[in-house]
Amino acid sequence: GENVEQHPSTLSVQEGDSAVIKCTYSDSASNYFPWYKQELGKRPQLIIDIRSNVGEKKDQRIAVTLNKTAKHFSLHITETQPEDSAVYFCAATDGANAGKSTFGDGTTLTVKP
Amino acid sequence: GAGVSQSPRYKVAKRGQDVALRCDPISGHVSLFWYQQALGQGPEFLTYFQNEAQLDKSGLPSDRFFAERPEGSVSTLKIQRTQQEDSAVYLCASSYRPGGGEKLFFGSGTQLSVL
Repeated sequence: GENVEQHPSTLSVQEGDSAVIKCTYSDSASNYFPWYKQELGKRPQLIIDIRSNVGEKKDQRIAVTLNKTAKHFSLHITETQPEDSAVYFCAATDGANAGKSTFGDGTTLTVKP
Repeated sequence: GAGVSQSPRYKVAKRGQDVALRCDPISGHVSLFWYQQALGQGPEFLTYFQNEAQLDKSGLPSDRFFAERPEGSVSTLKIQRTQQEDSAVYLCASSYRPGGGEKLFFGSGTQLSVL
């Protein structure tokens, strides 16, 4: 089955700096890669996603890159703000396998004001 | 409400008790997933429904876990004879289309504590 590894497990940055979180996956059949943000005690919420036919996607301060050959994808947050502090999860989804998403173990991002 | 609703929000059970967790997905969403999230970890897949059909239950940890979605909307996850290792947050998620490759909308989860 799919295996997703996520690094780092914790990340602390100063407000205004950039943050990068990296994930690798094992199953070449995975074709959809969402990123979720989960604040303490709240539900995971999608912040950005990318499909396997695209190499990069950007939405304001957030961008995601995908390298299918190397089987890794990354989340980039620029100009970080304290409200970006949360746990971020990457996931790999095999669209042909009922859409089961395999999640990484999460990265706790702390943005210091 | 427009979101995925789960109840109860918190559940404390004595070891050996049966529990039932409810998920009310967004109206019209075909796909429904159950995930288990242990403290400090990512969600782990339990089972998947497309309408009322349970198409994948490969993630259910044991035969004590049972899920149903009889009318293709509300779903119930039942855990029989609960054990301490069942303590976790149980998340329900739904998406509009069948299959994968679509944004998941998560509920707030049920935090289960087995004493």
